[in-house]
Amino acid sequence: EAQVTQNPRYLITVTGKKLTVTCSQNMNHEYMSWYRQDPGLGLRQIYYSMNVEVTDKGDVPEGYKVSRKEKRNFPLILESPSPNQTSLYFCASSLFGGRVDTQYFGPGTRLTVL
Amino acid sequence: GENVEQHPSTLSVQEGDSAVIKCTYSDSASNYFPWYKQELGKRPQLIIDIRSNVGEKKDQRIAVTLNKTAKHFSLHITETQPEDSAVYFCAASKGGGNKLTFGTGTQLKVEL
Repeated sequence: EAQVTQNPRYLITVTGKKLTVTCSQNMNHEYMSWYRQDPGLGLRQIYYSMNVEVTDKGDVPEGYKVSRKEKRNFPLILESPSPNQTSLYFCASSLFGGRVDTQYFGPGTRLTVL
Repeated sequence: GENVEQHPSTLSVQEGDSAVIKCTYSDSASNYFPWYKQELGKRPQLIIDIRSNVGEKKDQRIAVTLNKTAKHFSLHITETQPEDSAVYFCAASKGGGNKLTFGTGTQLKVEL
């Protein structure tokens, strides 16, 4: 089954404790992206990747890191999480990196930073 | 960068009525406009999209219209049903990295 998966789905952590949220897709998609969703603000892009080893900042990249060493995986790293990073995070992917295309979303990761 | 405004933030309709959600965008270079539906606790899912070379697109009870001159696009849902209740997001993109800028969402409630 073609899908985007994220792990973990739920995470409660404390300020300053490094964490990684994994994202994987099995559709051979070039493009992958991370969004955060907060009430009243919609979805805001954190980072995106047009292909392996090609990443760039979205609208709200502060406090986050990403890497794209393999085509299927695009982990989101929070080196020192803070309470303002408490949010619902979605990974998304689409077939092409160089032009507009349908984005498919993962199931989401609800992160709470105490 | 691109800015997408979406109205209304909440919309309540009676079952069988039509619902219209409107979005405006700021970047005239944007050329792709998808609409996503997000049910409670679920991921956003694409329901319809339109590209800038088309003025209107329809898929059963759902239609999207685009006015490039005015830089706005709208989602129309006819004969609404309770299962249409969800949050709807519009978005805009101009390619070159497939970056999507989302509106802030519309909570649609279809009442029996």
